[in-house]
Amino acid sequence: GENVEQHPSTLSVQEGDSAVIKCTYSDSASNYFPWYKQELGKRPQLIIDIRSNVGEKKDQRIAVTLNKTAKHFSLHITETQPEDSAVYFCAASNGNQFYFGTGTSLTVIP
Amino acid sequence: DVKVTQSSRYLVKRTGEKVFLECVQDMDHENMFWYRQDPGLGLRLIYFSYDVKMKEKGDIPEGYSVSREKKERFSLILESASTNQTSMYLCASSPGGGQEGTDTQYFGPGTRLTVL
Repeated sequence: GENVEQHPSTLSVQEGDSAVIKCTYSDSASNYFPWYKQELGKRPQLIIDIRSNVGEKKDQRIAVTLNKTAKHFSLHITETQPEDSAVYFCAASNGNQFYFGTGTSLTVIP
Repeated sequence: DVKVTQSSRYLVKRTGEKVFLECVQDMDHENMFWYRQDPGLGLRLIYFSYDVKMKEKGDIPEGYSVSREKKERFSLILESASTNQTSMYLCASSPGGGQEGTDTQYFGPGTRLTVL
């Protein structure tokens, strides 16, 4: 089955700096890669996703890149703000099941 | 706006009790999922369903069963709760159908279950 690894598990950045979270996956059949943000005590919310026919996608301060050959994808947050502080999860899906990374706790220091 | 609701936010049960966790979605989604979330382990799939009365085992189905009698409702059952089932349980749904954009998952608020 699929195995998704996520790094780092914790990340602290100064407000205004960039944050990068990386994930690798093992199943070449995976074709959909969403990223979720989970604030303390709340449900995971989809923030951005990318499909295997695209190499990069951007939405304002958030971008995701996908390298199918190397089987890794990354979340990039630029100009970080304190409200970006949360746990971020990556996931990989082959259309049926979703496999999640173990999460990255991001803290943005004002 | 998609709405996924779960029957309880917090639940405390005793070892050996039968526990029902319910999830309801109001967007006519085909697929529904149950995950448990534990620190350092992320979200792990327990069971999922892609149609009424259909169910598939996820990665950690042991000790759990599910029921989907109606399209909008997906129940997770702990037949005999044990302390190692203390966790946060998250339900999710996705439209399904195979077209692009139909696999996005929407999560419920979660149920924090404590088994004493």
